[in-house]
Amino acid sequence: NAGVTQTPKFRVLKTGQSMTLLCAQDMNHEYMYWYRQDPGMGLRLIHYSVGEGTTAKGEVPDGYNVSRLKKQNFLLGLESAAPSQTSVYFCASTEGWGAFFGQGTRLTVV
Amino acid sequence: AQRVTQPEKLLSVFKGAPVELKCNYSYSGSPELFWYVQYSRQRLQLLLRHISRESIKGFTADLNKGETSFHLKKPFAQEEDSAMYYCALSTTGGFKTIFGAGTRLFVKA
Repeated sequence: NAGVTQTPKFRVLKTGQSMTLLCAQDMNHEYMYWYRQDPGMGLRLIHYSVGEGTTAKGEVPDGYNVSRLKKQNFLLGLESAAPSQTSVYFCASTEGWGAFFGQGTRLTVV
Repeated sequence: AQRVTQPEKLLSVFKGAPVELKCNYSYSGSPELFWYVQYSRQRLQLLLRHISRESIKGFTADLNKGETSFHLKKPFAQEEDSAMYYCALSTTGGFKTIFGAGTRLFVKA
């Protein structure tokens, strides 16, 4: 069972570059989330989606955009990367009773 | 606004000692509370949820609505319990899940 899969696993970007992180889940979950994990800050919610075609802002949405065109996919975009966006990004999906997480994407912006 | 507070960044105990990881929350509705664990080089995984009132790997957690707490406890810590532990709160319906800052548990031999 694949569960939640994130691509890529690692990426180095230059300041100002753009990129898209892909999250795919095969559990038919309605809810999907993007978090960033920083030392001492825990997991902070960037954006989330409660179903196909819907998205909502989380705690730290600035500098990020998301799309949920298909139920199984949740994309996180950085239009113009900044060093402050250096972090580990986690995607998760759930039906409300505990989330399943991807393996994380380590992003470094130089 | 919803908030989850884990006051301890690091907790170090000896093997066989009791352990308690603290979690306090703020939410005006009826919360769903969870504990997640992240072992070294592994993805986050659900440890337990308050609604199930279960014991997983010897850990238990009781929801205290009066104190708005959901502390995680284990009577006898094992070295393999060393990990990062996150307390999380889901809003009604599970729409939005937020996490605390996490507590790193280190169990010494």
